[in-house]
Amino acid sequence: EPEVTQTPSHQVTQMGQEVILRCVPISNHLYFYWYRQILGQKVEFLVSFYNNEISEKSEIFDDQFSVERPDGSNFTLKIRSTKLEDSAMYFCASRSTPETQYFGPGTRLLVL
Amino acid sequence: GENVEQHPSTLSVQEGDSAVIKCTYSDSASNYFPWYKQELGKGPQLIIDIRSNVGEKKDQRIAVTLNKTAKHFSLHITETQPEDSAVYFCAASKGGSQGNLIFGKGTKLSVKP
Repeated sequence: EPEVTQTPSHQVTQMGQEVILRCVPISNHLYFYWYRQILGQKVEFLVSFYNNEISEKSEIFDDQFSVERPDGSNFTLKIRSTKLEDSAMYFCASRSTPETQYFGPGTRLLVL
Repeated sequence: GENVEQHPSTLSVQEGDSAVIKCTYSDSASNYFPWYKQELGKGPQLIIDIRSNVGEKKDQRIAVTLNKTAKHFSLHITETQPEDSAVYFCAASKGGSQGNLIFGKGTKLSVKP
């Protein structure tokens, strides 16, 4: 069964450093999403991406964040200058035309 | 924007009993309501979903009901088993080209053998 994959599984970085989180969505999916989950809290929407552009973003997704689909398979989330409060689990999700979103296993980001 | 409230935050049941988790949403334009199960250290896994043109959907031991008028939907798990223990999240979406999910805060379900 196809699944969403994410790398790395864990990332530790120093405050102010740039990080890139990578996702490989399910191959025939057209819509891509990033969500985050601070420890013990609910999953929060960050950004949606369709047809090579951002279709919607939340208030969390400020100028420090960017997304890219550099080739036909990868979908990346970049945080330019990490802050302590960026520490969270980051999930990538993808879907086809029906609404069902499939989530990856997540990347746990720790900013020190 | 959309707001999803979920209750209870924790739920403990005996194996074999039923469990019910309830959610309410605020935006009447929402038309898609999935439920996800999240085990420790893993990503959310879809267990069942319902669209606004349907009032109830069942898949083996799991069922979801939707009341559009009252803007609430519920997850029902019958004959609970220890492996049902996890955090369950409800979510709401307007579907379409965006389809971003707005999640509830989650319910930690513990099924005691």
